[in-house]
Formats: sequence, structure tokens, C-alpha cells
Amino acid sequence: KQEVTQIPAALSVPEGENLVLNCSFTDSAIYNLQWFRQDPGKGLTSLLLIQSSQREQTSGRLNASLDKSSGRSTLYIAASQPGDSATYLCAVSFYNNNDMRFGAGTRLTVKP
Amino acid sequence: EAGVAQSPRYKIIEKRQSVAFWCNPISGHATLYWYQQILGQGPKLLIQFQNNGVVDDSQLPKDRFSAERLKGVDSTLKIQPAKLEDSAVYLCASSIGTGGYEQYFGPGTRLTVT
Repeated sequence: KQEVTQIPAALSVPEGENLVLNCSFTDSAIYNLQWFRQDPGKGLTSLLLIQSSQREQTSGRLNASLDKSSGRSTLYIAASQPGDSATYLCAVSFYNNNDMRFGAGTRLTVKP
Repeated sequence: EAGVAQSPRYKIIEKRQSVAFWCNPISGHATLYWYQQILGQGPKLLIQFQNNGVVDDSQLPKDRFSAERLKGVDSTLKIQPAKLEDSAVYLCASSIGTGGYEQYFGPGTRLTVT
């Protein structure tokens, strides 16, 4: 069964701290992996998309890495800000599957 | 470029009533998805269309849920009759095609069934 797991489920950090969110998946045969941000009551905002042939992607203070062989991805957020408070979702497009499989998300709180 | 549009944004109904959601994908996107997101969980695919044909509806509760994508553009998702456990956010997404293309999500419709 193709599953996506995110740890931790919730994380609270002081402003300015660097942090890492983790995503693991059970099958290395993937097209890509995508990180999303979701604010309360809102839809999904795409942050970074990593194709299976790539090792990492960067956008501003965000850096996402992909290790297919170990079935892991990390989202690194540098110099966190209160505005980064949201739920972060990891989603994987597996071969032989029509949809993306999502993790349950990590709820991040950045305290001023 | 306009994004994925959904309406309504919020809906409150009583159990056993019916409800319909509408989605307009990004222009030129052949693939359209409906996801259900229950509070505290990640989105789960309900149905996927390629143009106006169904690619995958294996997780759609067909006794109460139905969806269509006439003319291969807009799509409607219907629930009849609604149950309390249908309370969730319903997300529509679209992509150029299947096979790992990036999906773009709409703002979602928050449904509360009382």
C-alpha cells in the first residue's frame, strides 16, 4: 500500500529558529513530491515541487530535499516568522496511481 | 492566468438534504480532481476526470455521491442525501494531464452537515 507519513504532527518554535519538517513514503517509484501550505479554512498553496530526478528545490527561505531510495523528504524553513504558521502537507505522485497521496500534515506555530 | 475556481465557499445543510459544488479548472487543463479533506487529515481523492471521462472513482461513495464533467471543462460534485460524516472541505484541483503533472488547487468548499 502506498502511504505518506508526516512527523511531527505539530510543532511550535520561537521566531527566528530554523526548522525541519519530515515526510516519508512507502514506495520509491514516484513521479514527484510536492509540499503545500494550508492556512486555516483555506485551500492548498503549492510551495515546492520536486521531480523524481531531482534532489532538492529552493524557494526563498524554503528548501525541500528528496531521497527516493530511503523514501524521505524534508522541508527546511530558515529564520522562521509568525507568518509561517500554518499546516504543511506533503503529497506524493506514485507510479501506477492516478492521484497524489497526502500525509496528514504538520501544524506549525511560530511564536513572536 | 486565472486559477481554479470553486463555489460556494461555505455551505451548511441538515443531514439527509442534498448539496452541489461547482468547479471551474484552469483553462486548458484536461485533468480534474475532487478531493475530500476531513478536519485534521490530508485530502483524499474522490474522483478524477480526464476530459469528460472518469479515470478513477474507486473512493467515491457512489450510493450518495455523484460527479460529472460535461463538455470536459466545469465539474459538479453532488451529495444526496448528506450524512454528518460528510462534513469536510471539498477541494477541486486540475492539471495539464495525468502521470505526475503538477496539480493546482482551488480554495475549497467547506461543508457542515448538522
